[in-house]
Amino acid sequence: AAGVIQSPRHLIKEKRETATLKCYPIPRHDTVYWYQQGPGQDPQFLISFYEKMQSDKGSIPDRFSAQQFSDYHSELNMSSLELGDSALYFCASSLGVAGANYGYTFGSGTRLTVV
Amino acid sequence: SQQGEEDPQALSIQEGENATMNCSYKTSINNLQWYRQNSGRGLVHLILIRSNEREKHSGRLRVTLDTSKKSSSLLITASRAADTASYFCATDAGNSGGSNYKLTFGKGTLLTVNP
Repeated sequence: AAGVIQSPRHLIKEKRETATLKCYPIPRHDTVYWYQQGPGQDPQFLISFYEKMQSDKGSIPDRFSAQQFSDYHSELNMSSLELGDSALYFCASSLGVAGANYGYTFGSGTRLTVV
Repeated sequence: SQQGEEDPQALSIQEGENATMNCSYKTSINNLQWYRQNSGRGLVHLILIRSNEREKHSGRLRVTLDTSKKSSSLLITASRAADTASYFCATDAGNSGGSNYKLTFGKGTLLTVNP
């Protein structure tokens, strides 16, 4: 079965550079969630989209922006990168609020390292 | 804001033993979910228990939920070396109280099962 696809798997950037992370949800899923997991930390909710509209916002820095496109894939854009942005970035998808009933499917994550 | 707190932070057992992990949370929930994460990898959904349920089983997993104490436990019976991973509880408040569907994770328990 198709899963949530994230790209790239690994990314190394220098301070003050920009990065774009991509997430391709499970086919027919219309809801995407982004989470950030720092080293040894629990995942923290960043932002979510439903039907291409932002549905909720968490602890996402102003330097970050995201959107969901017409094909439901989502991109997380990160500018003026800081060392503290080094983390695993996960995307999860859901069909509407089905994740609240059956659980969410996560991608394998993008490991961002800022040097 | 931190929701789930997990106990213990690390647990080391022998193969065949049972492993119990506990989680506490602070706000009202729609459901509570448990996820597994192998080192540096993606989050895998294990089991979901709704706020009106008290106990749920899935294979070697048993989850309990006590909403009066705002706590949950995950029991893994007859553990195997392959169960070695980090285990996170995550709460979903649903769309109550101005919240939107998303997960708030606890700190996680690192389980090591020794062969």
